[in-house]
Amino acid sequence: EPEVTQTPSHQVTQMGQEVILRCVPISNHLYFYWYRQILGQKVEFLVSFYNNEISEKSEIFDDQFSVERPDGSNFTLKIRSTKLEDSAMYFCASLSGGTDTQYFGPGTRLTVL
Amino acid sequence: EDQVTQSPEALRLQEGESSSLNCSYTVSGLRGLFWYRQDPGKGPEFLFTLYSAGEEKEKERLKATLTKKESFLHITAPKPEDSATYLCAVQAGTGGYNKLIFGAGTRLAVHP
Repeated sequence: EPEVTQTPSHQVTQMGQEVILRCVPISNHLYFYWYRQILGQKVEFLVSFYNNEISEKSEIFDDQFSVERPDGSNFTLKIRSTKLEDSAMYFCASLSGGTDTQYFGPGTRLTVL
Repeated sequence: EDQVTQSPEALRLQEGESSSLNCSYTVSGLRGLFWYRQDPGKGPEFLFTLYSAGEEKEKERLKATLTKKESFLHITAPKPEDSATYLCAVQAGTGGYNKLIFGAGTRLAVHP
């Protein structure tokens, strides 16, 4: 069964460093998302992406964040200058467009020291 | 502001002891209500989508129902492998591609 994959599973970085989180959505899907979950808190929407542009972004998704689909398979989230409060699980999700179901990846745990 | 509240926060059941989880929501123009299961350290796993009041969906020991203000996830004769956090999420507006707004989840522990 097709699934969303994410790499790395765990990323440790120093405050102020740039990180890139990578996702491979399900192959025929058209809509892509990033969510995050701070430990013990709700899953929060960050950004949605369709047709090579951002469809919607939350207040969390400020100028330090960017997304890109550099080729036909990868979808990336970049954080330019990480802060301690960026420590969280980051989930990628994708949706085919033929249904309303967003399928989530296993997540990347980001730890900012 | 669109909001999702789940109760209880945590639930401990004996194997075979049926119960229900609640998800109440306020949203301007509900398009769909989603239930996901999340195991520790993993991503949400899709269970059900409900669109209109009165709708019900079933999968194995789980049944989800929807009213105009809340949804219930009924667990019948649970087994230890049903232990997980169950997340409710709503989608507003007219687009099936819109963002999901999640509740905080109910942590379910089923003991043998």
